[in-house]
Amino acid sequence: EAQLVESGGGLVKPGGSLRLSCAASGFTFRSLWMSWVRQAPGKGLEWVGRIKSKTDGGTTDLPAPVKGRFTISRDDSKNTLFLQMNSLKPEDTAVYYCTTDLGLYFGIWGQGTMATVSS
Amino acid sequence: DIQMTQSPSSLSASVGDRVSITCRASQFISAYLNWYQQKPGKAPKLLIYTASSLQSGVPSTFSGSGSGTDFTLTISSLQPEDFATYYCQQSYTTPLTFGGGTKVEI
Repeated sequence: EAQLVESGGGLVKPGGSLRLSCAASGFTFRSLWMSWVRQAPGKGLEWVGRIKSKTDGGTTDLPAPVKGRFTISRDDSKNTLFLQMNSLKPEDTAVYYCTTDLGLYFGIWGQGTMATVSS
Repeated sequence: DIQMTQSPSSLSASVGDRVSITCRASQFISAYLNWYQQKPGKAPKLLIYTASSLQSGVPSTFSGSGSGTDFTLTISSLQPEDFATYYCQQSYTTPLTFGGGTKVEI
């Protein structure tokens, strides 16, 4: 069964850093693009960025609110996706989901991991 | 950025009702429009992709239509397990964007 499991969330002070991980199983991870999507408490969904497969160049694309602060990477040998979050702000507080990104739509989703930015 | 506007933001319905949710894009997105269902405390689940294609395993009571800028998600006969929040999402161009959500409640 295809599955994604996020980890690494927690409480961090403004200006701090956090590294989220997403472990994939049950499918050919290296072949797929992957994305991160977040959801602030009681709010809607917001795309945080994507990383393409190495076959498609392995490039990343991140939206303006997180560009320059967040980095997405992948370790295909360990079937793991990462989200490095630096210079965190209170408005980055959210549940962070990793998801398979088929280019056209998001397919498999993890259960999410909560990141709280507060002093 | 492409803005996605859903309406209504919430609606009350009963089991067996026919329900429609609309999603409007701020610019042309062809048929690059997806619908997701989210229940409290759970991850979103893909229902419809490319405007009208039903994801495997999703009941046929769900359907999607539209192209260009205007799209509709229809639930032909609401079931108890369908009470949830629904989001549209455009995949035409980055940044990928979602609608604000429609909460379907009793």
